Amino acid sequence: SAVISQKPSRDICQRGTSLTIQCQVDSQVTMMFWYRQQPGQSLTLIATANQGSEATYESGFVIDKFPISRPNLTFSTLTVSNMSPEDSSIYLCSVDDEASGRHGETQYFGPGTRLLVL
Amino acid sequence: AQSVAQPEDQVNVAEGNPLTVKCTYSVSGNPYLFWYVQYPNRGLQFLLKYITGDNLVKGSYGFEAEFNKSQTSFHLKKPSALVSDSALYFCAVRDILDNAGNMLTFGGGTRLMVKP
Repeated sequence: SAVISQKPSRDICQRGTSLTIQCQVDSQVTMMFWYRQQPGQSLTLIATANQGSEATYESGFVIDKFPISRPNLTFSTLTVSNMSPEDSSIYLCSVDDEASGRHGETQYFGPGTRLLVL
Repeated sequence: AQSVAQPEDQVNVAEGNPLTVKCTYSVSGNPYLFWYVQYPNRGLQFLLKYITGDNLVKGSYGFEAEFNKSQTSFHLKKPSALVSDSALYFCAVRDILDNAGNMLTFGGGTRLMVKP
């Protein structure tokens, strides 16, 4: 399985500021995914990030609020812009198990970034 | 559109007893089904999956799940619960006929509490 790391692991931010979350994978992957888990809630997909193209956002999420970069096949960033307390969540990145050759089966997740906005 | 339902917010079980965490799903085509576990202050860990073949799949930490197509269910089970199994469990589905192809839809989660 892929090993995924995220930075920072947690942060406390002031409203109106922005935070960039980094996701690093130990192998090259085609797609990386960003999820949000609001307090006490399930996971919701924010966007899918392919290397060399713009990210694809799910309904309810927009690029101005959650800009994503994907500069290479092992790295991605998610920025939470102009934050408000409603953005307090766990943000997780994930990748497909492409190494197995069975693309589209298992997704593996990073440890998450716990964000609190005051 | 695909969806997942976990009808129980919390399941309580005594250590040593069998446990079941329920999951039902809805997809247009054939599903890929998954169980993940989230321990406090940790990310999601993959437990097991059903893709095709035997309806009973075995995963990590002694967990297993049974795919039931007629009931559109994929309940998670373990013959003997441990206190260390206490965590938040998520069922998820992927519709292999979905044009998006990659969207993993999660259930609301079930908190498992195993008491000594």
